Amino acid sequence: NAGVTQTPKFQVLKTGQSMTLQCAQDMNHNSMYWYRQDPGMGLRLIYYSASEGTTDKGEVPNGYNVSRLNKREFSLRLESAAPSQTSVYFCASSERGHGDTQYFGPGTRLTVL
Amino acid sequence: DAKTTQPPSMDCAEGRAANLPCNHSTISGNEYVYWYRQIHSQGPQYIIHGLKNNETNEMASLIITEDRKSSTLILPHATLRDTAVYYCIVRGFNAGNNRKLIWGLGTSLAVNP
Repeated sequence: NAGVTQTPKFQVLKTGQSMTLQCAQDMNHNSMYWYRQDPGMGLRLIYYSASEGTTDKGEVPNGYNVSRLNKREFSLRLESAAPSQTSVYFCASSERGHGDTQYFGPGTRLTVL
Repeated sequence: DAKTTQPPSMDCAEGRAANLPCNHSTISGNEYVYWYRQIHSQGPQYIIHGLKNNETNEMASLIITEDRKSSTLILPHATLRDTAVYYCIVRGFNAGNNRKLIWGLGTSLAVNP
């Protein structure tokens, strides 16, 4: 099992550009999550998907959109990137909801110039 | 969700036990204590969780006080590879989809040779 995979590992964007971060899990988990991690701050939840076909906002959803493409895949889109979105992005999955053990991907390091 | 308090940093000698404390004085009866760790630049990794009783797995032991207001994660024989940030999280297990984990800044553990 690969667990949770994320692409790309690194990305540099210019302000205003758009991009999609991809996430896939092969553990047949129902729930998937997108977090961002900034220096001096804990992980913050951007969006999550409790099950296929559903998505909900987390703590910091502004400037992002998500798509739960199927049970395996959960993508995060930045429509018009801003320097404030420079961060490390982590995708995670769990068998059930937030209270269940979460398994994380390796992260995407995004820089917006 | 209950808030947790952890020391910002700790040191431990290689081969010795590392004891990482966590205070969660506002924990409620159905909330579990979870521990994750994050090795530099990687995604967080689940370690262990518990409700009331002490727990042990191949990675660590979790000691929860009788009043459940604090807990200690024990790495019995710390190695250099255990150098990481350790997060203590309290979260309801069977809550609805609008609940979320609250990630603090954790304890940065340095294992020294």
